Amino acid sequence: GAVVSQHPSRVICKSGTSVKIECRSLDFQATTMFWYRQFPKQSLMLMATSNEGSKATYEQGVEKDKFLINHASLTLSTLTVTSAHPEDSSFYICSATRGGTQETQYFGPGTRLLVL
Amino acid sequence: AQKVTQAQTEISVVEKEDVTLDCVYETRDTTYYLFWYKQPPSGELVFLIRRNSFDEQNEISGRYSWNFQKSTSSFNFTITASQVVDSAVYFCALLSTSGTYKYIFGTGTRLKVLA
Repeated sequence: GAVVSQHPSRVICKSGTSVKIECRSLDFQATTMFWYRQFPKQSLMLMATSNEGSKATYEQGVEKDKFLINHASLTLSTLTVTSAHPEDSSFYICSATRGGTQETQYFGPGTRLLVL
Repeated sequence: AQKVTQAQTEISVVEKEDVTLDCVYETRDTTYYLFWYKQPPSGELVFLIRRNSFDEQNEISGRYSWNFQKSTSSFNFTITASQVVDSAVYFCALLSTSGTYKYIFGTGTRLKVLA
């Protein structure tokens, strides 16, 4: 199989704090991981693509200083929402591929972030 | 331009009915991939199928079947004898092999299967 986990599944934080979300590929090595954001009843919006050992590539309009992505190993990528504000509240989903960006993406269960 | 259109925003059917979810795509690439994912209320996207542009054979997996027609740029998904557990949002996605290799998602179709 191709199992991707995310932690935490749900987080509530105060405005101004930072939140770290972990994305792990459990049974395969993921050279490429993706981070998406999904608003209620909408489609997925790609935030960034991360490759192990290199800097993430952010989509236009996504603040790289706001959403820090680290892909330190072949099984772990982290997304840190820095100085979170209520407008950052959303559903964040990661995905991973076994090979490069042309491979099938397997998605994690998502993290619901609520910023008060 | 790359685009995926899922014109059906929401569909409701009664259990045991068959239902077809439409997906129409646009791309200038000759090589591309198409996908279907299921997103149940829990939120996780579940991979259903991947099809490359050179393989137009229809595929059947249990109650699921897919009809890929390049002539109409469509990749439709049919659920036979629907069940309540099929209730979810279904996304069609296109992966281009030129440029940035990013998924282009459709807006999704919410399927409600009523008991």
